[in-house]
Amino acid sequence: EVQLVESGGGLVQPGRSLRLSCAVSGFTFDDYAMHWVRQVPGKGLEWVSSISWNSGSIGYVGSVKGRFTISRDNARNSLYLQMNSLRAEDTAFYYCAASENYADGLEIWGQGTLVTVAS
Amino acid sequence: SYVLTQPPSVSVAPGQTARITCGGNNIGSKNVHWYQQKPGQAPVLVVYDDSDRPSGIPERFSGSNSGNTATLTISRVEAGDEADYFCQVWGSTGGHVFGTGTKVTVL
Repeated sequence: EVQLVESGGGLVQPGRSLRLSCAVSGFTFDDYAMHWVRQVPGKGLEWVSSISWNSGSIGYVGSVKGRFTISRDNARNSLYLQMNSLRAEDTAFYYCAASENYADGLEIWGQGTLVTVAS
Repeated sequence: SYVLTQPPSVSVAPGQTARITCGGNNIGSKNVHWYQQKPGQAPVLVVYDDSDRPSGIPERFSGSNSGNTATLTISRVEAGDEADYFCQVWGSTGGHVFGTGTKVTVL
């Protein structure tokens, strides 16, 4: 069964850090580009970051550049998002997703993990 | 940055056809993908590369793209099609761009 399972969300104070993980099973992880997409409850989808299969291409939305770092460990079938200097506006559900190529549609999604930034 | 505009809502009677538009500058030159999201669930890809369907997606879902507008068409709408729908492209500045989203209500 194809599965993406996010973890690491929770309540964190502004300015602090959090690391999200996404554990992948059921498909060949290193054949796929991986992505983080977030969604404020009740609002639309926002792309956060992407990483190619070999980590050779990486991109971020402007609002997180310099604060968030995406990475992957193909040996562990895992994707990560290190989030530093968190702000209230980073509060959202964070989904990991997979696509065959970096710029393709996101064909596999996890169920999401909620990050709440508040004092 | 590239902007994709969708109508906030579309209402349709069961058995009829729903059309959801996604407007963007020269979007016809890009590959458009569509997602369905039901309450409390993750998005699901229903159309990719303008008009292709992933396995398991009913033929009732189809897409087209030309000029400044892409369209997702849901034929013979069922109650289970009630959801939010988002279009998405790879933006010119290097990143995925999502549309504003459309809530489809089945009357």
